[in-house]
Amino acid sequence: GAVVSQHPSWVICKSGTSVKIECRSLDFQATTMFWYRQFPKQSLMLMATSNEGSKATYEQGVEKDKFLINHASLTLSTLTVTSAHPEDSSFYICSARGGSVTNEKLFFGSGTQLSVL
Amino acid sequence: GDSVTQMEGPVTLSEEAFLTINCTYTATGYPSLFWYVQYPGEGLQLLLKATKADDKGSNKGFEATYRKETTSFHLEKGSVQVSDSAVYFCALRGAGNQFYFGTGTSLTVIP
Repeated sequence: GAVVSQHPSWVICKSGTSVKIECRSLDFQATTMFWYRQFPKQSLMLMATSNEGSKATYEQGVEKDKFLINHASLTLSTLTVTSAHPEDSSFYICSARGGSVTNEKLFFGSGTQLSVL
Repeated sequence: GDSVTQMEGPVTLSEEAFLTINCTYTATGYPSLFWYVQYPGEGLQLLLKATKADDKGSNKGFEATYRKETTSFHLEKGSVQVSDSAVYFCALRGAGNQFYFGTGTSLTVIP
């Protein structure tokens, strides 16, 4: 079945550094990918929707200059957390839209746990 | 706005026990409802779904019925197994095609 690969699974970084998270659709083309964030004991929250070849659409309250999303190909989207701070520590997960027009499905990556020291 | 409220965990059950994880929602219009499961070290996977009122989604022994009158989509399984240990997320897809997730419920099944 369709698989979405997300890397890295976990990352620890120093405050002020940037972290890049990759999300790849391995056996299908994903014109649309989604990035979510989950803080402890809270819901998965949609951060942004990225469409291949165009600028991402960010949800209200998400800083687009801090969370850079690039969707340069039909199989790869990246999220870069720039100048990370401890409050950015969270679980980030991507998903890709696949399937058919009549049976659309979302396929999720395994998530990235980011810890900023 | 649309939202999902899910029973908090963690939940610990003995093998063959009955499982219920409560989920209620708030939405305008007629959302589709989903249960996703995340096994350790893996991505979220669709477990089951229901797209209209009174529909029952089922998969791997799990069931959930779309109850419009109580705005609920509770997940049930009659006899859990150790392999069911995972985190379960209730979700809805609203009118704008956007997904809203619950907080997730961690289930541990002990032999």
